[in-house]
Amino acid sequence: DAGVIQSPRHEVTEMGQEVTLRCKPISGHNSLFWYRQTMMRGLELLIYFNNNVPIDDSGMPEDRFSAKMPNASFSTLKIQPSEPRDSAVYFCASSPDRYTGEQYFGPGTRLTVT
Amino acid sequence: SQQGEEDPQALSIQEGENATMNCSYKTSINNLQWYRQNSGRGLVHLILIRSNEREKHSGRLRVTLDTSKKSSSLLITASRAADTASYFCATAFIPTQGGSEKLVFGKGMKLTVNP
Repeated sequence: DAGVIQSPRHEVTEMGQEVTLRCKPISGHNSLFWYRQTMMRGLELLIYFNNNVPIDDSGMPEDRFSAKMPNASFSTLKIQPSEPRDSAVYFCASSPDRYTGEQYFGPGTRLTVT
Repeated sequence: SQQGEEDPQALSIQEGENATMNCSYKTSINNLQWYRQNSGRGLVHLILIRSNEREKHSGRLRVTLDTSKKSSSLLITASRAADTASYFCATAFIPTQGGSEKLVFGKGMKLTVNP
């Protein structure tokens, strides 16, 4: 299995631009998670999908952030407009089981907003 | 907060020595997990221990759970330079205010194994 696939691996953009991060979970996994990691705040859960349905989006910082999962093999996290404080590493993870089983992380997307 | 706290925040040892990392948490949990993160990579799941278990082994890893003390420890025996990484504990619990079960990660601790 290829594991969780994320693209792009690095993204540098200017403030105000739209950013779209992509994730392909492991085939057969029912749950998908988007996390953000920074030195200051550690690893934060942004949103959790189960069977393609958003279950918990309480971690989404504000309306500038949106996430979709149109099918079981693809999800996007969009930031519009982006701000410098959005700079972080964004991870996608999937799980074969429920939310609190073991999670398999992708390699992350390092986002820099200038 | 329920967030597990790893202790120590940083540990530096020589190759071949054992490394012990601790995690403390505040409220009842359903399970506790340990993850490793190499620099610039995603987290890798190491081991999951359920609340009714006291000890689990996986290769050179040994995890214990003491629910009365609300703490867990991860022991890496015969450490190798390749074990150098950040280690995170994550606790699965139902929030006191209700709602669905959550998994919350600690801030992690840095292990350096010197060759």
